[in-house]
Amino acid sequence: SQTIHQWPATLVQPVGSPLSLECTVEGTSNPNLYWYRQAAGRGLQLLFYSVGIGQISSEVPQNLSASRPQDRQFILSSKKLLLSDSGFYLCAWTKGVGRGGYEQYFGPGTRLTVT
Amino acid sequence: AQKVTQAQTEISVVEKEDVTLDCVYETRDTTYYLFWYKQPPSGELVFLIRRNSFDEQNEISGRYSWNFQKSTSSFNFTITASQVVDSAVYFCALSELYTGGFKTIFGAGTRLFVKA
Repeated sequence: SQTIHQWPATLVQPVGSPLSLECTVEGTSNPNLYWYRQAAGRGLQLLFYSVGIGQISSEVPQNLSASRPQDRQFILSSKKLLLSDSGFYLCAWTKGVGRGGYEQYFGPGTRLTVT
Repeated sequence: AQKVTQAQTEISVVEKEDVTLDCVYETRDTTYYLFWYKQPPSGELVFLIRRNSFDEQNEISGRYSWNFQKSTSSFNFTITASQVVDSAVYFCALSELYTGGFKTIFGAGTRLFVKA
């Protein structure tokens, strides 16, 4: 069966510090991968998605970046965090074949607080 | 452009009551997919159901049922005989084809409180 891991679970970082969040998927190959951010009490905002190694599409221009160095690894980074980067970050995957429109499976999330 | 509206921000019910969560969507495509997800207090979103635009049959799974009506662009979710464990935020989502694949957008969510 497939599982998705995210770490760390919680993170408190000062403004201006770097960020690296990691997401890995097990039990599947060539998944589509996604990073979402959820502000407190709000819906999900799609940040990045990837359909393959090295292929990253950005939905919202900001000081975050994403990379996919391996098929089942997705990394969210920032060189300098802003207060507005605080939130709950969720990684998700879907099947990467067929006509699409598949359901997404989410990781446990990382709660980031920028102080 | 696609849009998902969940007009109910919060709903509070007493255990064993039935509750319906509304979802209205906008899309110009004829092929699209609709979803419901549950986000319990732990934070991890859990997939509940997927529906494609060509299948308007309603679905029932235990205490959960979904009513998909293309005529009103709605995909409502009903929980029968609610339980405290149903307390969560519920998201409706729409996925439609665009250049490069399928893109999914989520509604703002409805927070359901079920009191014992």
